[in-house]
Amino acid sequence: ELKVEQNPLFLSMQEGKNYTIYCNYSTTSDRLYWYRQDPGKSLESLFVLLSNGAVKQEGRLMASLDTKARLSTLHITAAVHDLSATYFCAVDLTGANNLFFGTGTRLTVIP
Amino acid sequence: DAGVIQSPRHEVTEMGQEVTLRCKPISGHDYLFWYRQTMMRGLELLIYFNNNVPIDDSGMPEDRFSAKMPNASFSTLKIQPSEPRDSAVYFCASSPGGRTGNTIYFGEGSWLTVV
Repeated sequence: ELKVEQNPLFLSMQEGKNYTIYCNYSTTSDRLYWYRQDPGKSLESLFVLLSNGAVKQEGRLMASLDTKARLSTLHITAAVHDLSATYFCAVDLTGANNLFFGTGTRLTVIP
Repeated sequence: DAGVIQSPRHEVTEMGQEVTLRCKPISGHDYLFWYRQTMMRGLELLIYFNNNVPIDDSGMPEDRFSAKMPNASFSTLKIQPSEPRDSAVYFCASSPGGRTGNTIYFGEGSWLTVV
């Protein structure tokens, strides 16, 4: 059974600090997605990682993928309040964009 | 582009009633997905279609749930009869195709409460 685990589940951090969210998955895949969800809202695509060693950056967020370790990370640099949201990673097993989502990490950035 | 459009946005219904959720995918997208989100189980894939054909419905919880895609621009998810445990947010999503790396776009969701 596929498992996609994120940690931490809850993260409270001060503005200006750095932190990393981890996403571990239990089976082979080289396609990993990161999404953001604000309370009561839809899911917004952040990154699509397609190969081992892939790294993508957008603003204060940087995502990476290590397929051998079955690990993806989402690094937050100099957090700001606007980054407060729930972040999900998702694994595509079949190549048909059939995503299995992680548990989510609820991030709160404190001024 | 208007994005993935879902209706209704909110629905409150009584146990035993039929519920129909609707979705219009982004034009030109070949894949359509129905997801359910609850606090207890997180985001779960219920079913997905490719070119209007159901490919995998193994996530559909039971026979009370059914989904159709009569054409490329419309899909429905029906629950009959509804039960309180069906209360959740149901998301429809679409993507341009099965090629690796295509972004999947989510609708705003349909918030269902069964009382």
